[in-house]
Amino acid sequence: DTAVSQTPKYLVTQMGNDKSIKCEQNLGHDTMYWYKQDSKKFLKIMFSYNNKELIINETVPNRFSPKSPDKAHLNLHINSLELGDSAVYFCASSHLSLAGGPRNEQYFGPGTRLTVT
Amino acid sequence: AQTVTQSQPEMSVQEAETVTLSCTYDTSESNYYLFWYKQPPSRQMILVIRQEAYKQQNATENRFSVNFQKAAKSFSLKISDSQLGDTAMYFCAVLIQGAQKLVFGQGTRLTINP
Repeated sequence: DTAVSQTPKYLVTQMGNDKSIKCEQNLGHDTMYWYKQDSKKFLKIMFSYNNKELIINETVPNRFSPKSPDKAHLNLHINSLELGDSAVYFCASSHLSLAGGPRNEQYFGPGTRLTVT
Repeated sequence: AQTVTQSQPEMSVQEAETVTLSCTYDTSESNYYLFWYKQPPSRQMILVIRQEAYKQQNATENRFSVNFQKAAKSFSLKISDSQLGDTAMYFCAVLIQGAQKLVFGQGTRLTINP
């Protein structure tokens, strides 16, 4: 009964390919996120969706396109992969933080290690 | 913009000792939340503890406690009776109320030695 799950956990591909990472949460949260962790372990937000609506896009290249078919799923599609895209990608979920309180904690998936060769 | 700084890239202590990880942050917002996350070698990001900025009382979770100094914008994590399983990267993060993103520090790699 994993709370936030991602598939695949490992992804090795060549430059120029297109790939997708899937994320699902069963916590009943209404907000989902994609974070990127680079080789120096630095974590940075990429996107956030609330009830299937995009609310954060942190100047991510157009080659990255998130899609949220429903509020329990947030997928990440990457076109024309580049060497610099190699990283660990984390999906996370939470309740909307506007009201504050304990409901705004973000819970993370296990991460997807993407290696572009 | 918010920034979070963890000035200790690596720390190492003996099992059962107490260790304190430092974190400072910068924000002009008044309503925000602070978190410590743990990332063991398994890569999973695990929430350790949270602190609401409007609360003066320091948060505690079993062996983990924080020293929150709002005026100094400091949020350190103390781990008491450290265990081998505490070996991990520890990330400090801030969440602004109304915003939908965590801003993370650079992380501190903590090693607990037997």
